[in-house]
Amino acid sequence: EPEVTQTPSHQVTQMGQEVILRCVPISNHLYFYWYRQILGQKVEFLVSFYNNEISEKSEIFDDQFSVERPDGSNFTLKIRSTKLEDSAMYFCASGGGLGFTEAFFGQGTRLTVV
Amino acid sequence: AQSVTQLGSHVSVSEGALVLLRCNYSSSVPPYLFWYVQYPNQGLQLLLKYTTGATLVKGINGFEAEFKKSETSFHLTKPSAHMSDAAEYFCAVSENTGNQFYFGTGTSLTVIP
Repeated sequence: EPEVTQTPSHQVTQMGQEVILRCVPISNHLYFYWYRQILGQKVEFLVSFYNNEISEKSEIFDDQFSVERPDGSNFTLKIRSTKLEDSAMYFCASGGGLGFTEAFFGQGTRLTVV
Repeated sequence: AQSVTQLGSHVSVSEGALVLLRCNYSSSVPPYLFWYVQYPNQGLQLLLKYTTGATLVKGINGFEAEFKKSETSFHLTKPSAHMSDAAEYFCAVSENTGNQFYFGTGTSLTVIP
């Protein structure tokens, strides 16, 4: 069964460093998302991506965040200068073609900023 | 913006008992409604969804949910809890295809043997 794959599963980084979280969405999907879940809190929307551009973003997704789909298969989230409060589980999700309804989520990357 | 309310951050049931997890949403348009389950150290797995049509929807693992427009609710039920049902459950809503999903705060289900 097709699935969304995220790497790494866990990343530890020092405050101020740049991190790139990687995702391989399901191959024929057109919509891509990043969500995050701070420990003990709800899943929060960061950004959606469609047709090679950001289609929607939340207030959380400020200038330190960026997304890219560099090669038609990977979908990356870059955090330019990490802060302690960026520590969270980051989920990538993808959705199918026109008329799709549900999103399929990856296993997540746990980011720990120290 | 949408909001999703899950009443009860923690629910405990005995094995074999009815599971009822509550979800209410605010929406000015007919929404798409979802329940996702998260097992420890895993991602989010779709349990079931409502888009159009029959308001009672059945999902995996014996779960079902009923969309009640008049009550803006989408409660999740299972007639008989199993130990393997212990997990975090998230209700989510989307306004349209491709739009973001708004999640509730989650309900942690404990099943007591």
